[in-house]
Amino acid sequence: RKEVEQDPGPFNVPEGATVAFNCTYSNSASQSFFWYRQDCRKEPKLLMSVYSSGNEDGRFTAQLNRASQYISLLIRDSKLSDSATYLCVVTRGYQKVTFGIGTKLQVIP
Amino acid sequence: DAGVTQSPTHLIKTRGQHVTLRCSPISGHKSVSWYQQVLGQGPQFIFQYYEKEERGRGNFPDRFSARQFPNYSSELNVNALLLGDSALYLCASSLESANQPQHFGDGTRLSIL
Repeated sequence: RKEVEQDPGPFNVPEGATVAFNCTYSNSASQSFFWYRQDCRKEPKLLMSVYSSGNEDGRFTAQLNRASQYISLLIRDSKLSDSATYLCVVTRGYQKVTFGIGTKLQVIP
Repeated sequence: DAGVTQSPTHLIKTRGQHVTLRCSPISGHKSVSWYQQVLGQGPQFIFQYYEKEERGRGNFPDRFSARQFPNYSSELNVNALLLGDSALYLCASSLESANQPQHFGDGTRLSIL
């Protein structure tokens, strides 16, 4: 089993829709969790850190479920500019930083 | 403030050669991490450095090495290049560790012929 798993998609959604992605992780000792956004042929950019209490930034909400070992990202009122690949990141100590394969989102007019 | 800067932007090498990639972190960031990203995959962790010491190493062969300098800049070296080393090499900096939010440079696109 992979340490971090994501559905690669693509998720094709109309503008204004709500879309959610999940990312599962296999090691219960994982410590820190993040969502990054990566546009085609560009570098990843931090979208949000993910906390057990959940956190929100505008139209974006991230959740962590330690019992079921997954993190989620919810995007409300999708914009064309949200089209990108969304990477989840799980860390464990200093030695282990694992990115998921990324979920591709395409927002359609 | 300048972000993370990497050089060169693009590089073409042949099998068996070696390459050195360079990275300057954001001012005030003491941790630098290196990643390899091939098309269609997420970045793969290669190394993390903090205060000139290697703190973490991913599952890469000994042909890959790195170091961090007193000014916190870093170099990634790859020896005996293979075709499979063709990838985007990303450098990321953070305040103290890769457990914290990281800021990525634009990357170096390495092609092996």
